[in-house]
Amino acid sequence: GQNIDQPTEMTATEGAIVQINCTYQTSGFNGLFWYQQHAGEAPTFLSYNVLDGLEEKGRFSSFLSRSKGYSYLLLKELQMKDSASYLCAAIDSNYQLIWGAGTKLIIKP
Amino acid sequence: IAGITQAPTSQILAAGRRMTLRCTQDMRHNAMYWYRQDLGLGLRLIHYSNTAGTTGKGEVPDGYSVSRANTDDFPLTLASAVPSQTSVYFCASSDSTREDTGELFFGEGSRLTVL
Repeated sequence: GQNIDQPTEMTATEGAIVQINCTYQTSGFNGLFWYQQHAGEAPTFLSYNVLDGLEEKGRFSSFLSRSKGYSYLLLKELQMKDSASYLCAAIDSNYQLIWGAGTKLIIKP
Repeated sequence: IAGITQAPTSQILAAGRRMTLRCTQDMRHNAMYWYRQDLGLGLRLIHYSNTAGTTGKGEVPDGYSVSRANTDDFPLTLASAVPSQTSVYFCASSDSTREDTGELFFGEGSRLTVL
């Protein structure tokens, strides 16, 4: 079956760096999304990767390794407002989105 | 302000009742989607529409129906609600067809409790 694995919860300190990992097993692959979701709010788009490598966007970067079925989201200079859930979603060969359950990131002062 | 509007934001209803969740977007996006989000699970697609006049079934379509009479509106109907349909429902849209999945724009969600 198709599956997305990401840690349930992570804790980090304000100002630090955190890496949220995501591994995927899908029938075919056509790209991977990361979304941010604050508690009680809608998910919002962070990044999209389809080729191997690192995509940098301000304090957030996303990495993809297609051969390893692996991605990570790197958050630098953490701020309290970064406390949220981070959702990983892979696109399979039928262009269906397969969503992970999300990683709840807790930022401590 | 452009975006997606869902209504109601929250609703409690008795099992067996009919319920329609409304979704309207003003971005002129072709594709629209309905997802449900349950604790510990990823978002699951209920139904989708690539363009006005067409709809398709997602991963968990049973017990739900949709219509897409125009570009802007995509209501989700529960014909006879059951407790397992208690969830948070998100409507989303994208400026592409489902076969060319692009960034999704989500509404604020509708929290539904079926007793």
